[in-house]
Amino acid sequence: DAGVTQSPTHLIKTRGQQVTLRCSPKSGHDTVSWYQQALGQGPQFIFQYYEEEERQRGNFPDRFSGHQFPNYSSELNVNALLLGDSALYLCASSLVGAVNQPQHFGDGTRLSIL
Amino acid sequence: QKEVEQDPGPLSVPEGAIVSLNCTYSNSAFQYFMWYRQYSRKGPELLMYTYSSGNKEDGRFTAQVDKSSKYISLFIRDSQPSDSATYLCAMSGKSGGTSYGKLTFGQGTILTVHP
Repeated sequence: DAGVTQSPTHLIKTRGQQVTLRCSPKSGHDTVSWYQQALGQGPQFIFQYYEEEERQRGNFPDRFSGHQFPNYSSELNVNALLLGDSALYLCASSLVGAVNQPQHFGDGTRLSIL
Repeated sequence: QKEVEQDPGPLSVPEGAIVSLNCTYSNSAFQYFMWYRQYSRKGPELLMYTYSSGNKEDGRFTAQVDKSSKYISLFIRDSQPSDSATYLCAMSGKSGGTSYGKLTFGQGTILTVHP
């Protein structure tokens, strides 16, 4: 049973550039959430996608955008990168309406901004 | 003030000790409470899930939720060196009629169990 997979595992960018991170949900899941985890901190919610639409959004600027595809996979896009965007970006998947089935996380993409 | 407060530690205990990890929260709308374990360079791994108040036990792990005090705990019995990791509490309320929406995490507690 494939879990949540993310790519790439590590990425280095410079300020001002744009980046796209990818996520494939756990088999059978239809909802994808993205989180940003700064060093030494807990993950912070960016947004959640279901039925190819953004359902919830955390306190992140419009530079952060996303997309969900018909096969439930998802992308996170960040424009105009800042040094403060350096973090571990985590994708989590879940099944809408499922009881006792919380979000399952991938191992993340570590983004470094130079 | 953060919605979820968690003592970052670090916490160092000898093998076999009982470990107590705690979080407090301020949002009364939280109904679902989770504990995740995160090893270095890995994503969070779900350990325990609890709905509303009460206790839940799974092997060496026991999760407790006291909604009246807005306080949750995770106990680890007979701790092992392999339990060394960062432990994150997380919680959510209902979202659009579904069970799981945005998770709000604590800062994480770094635990080291030494032989």
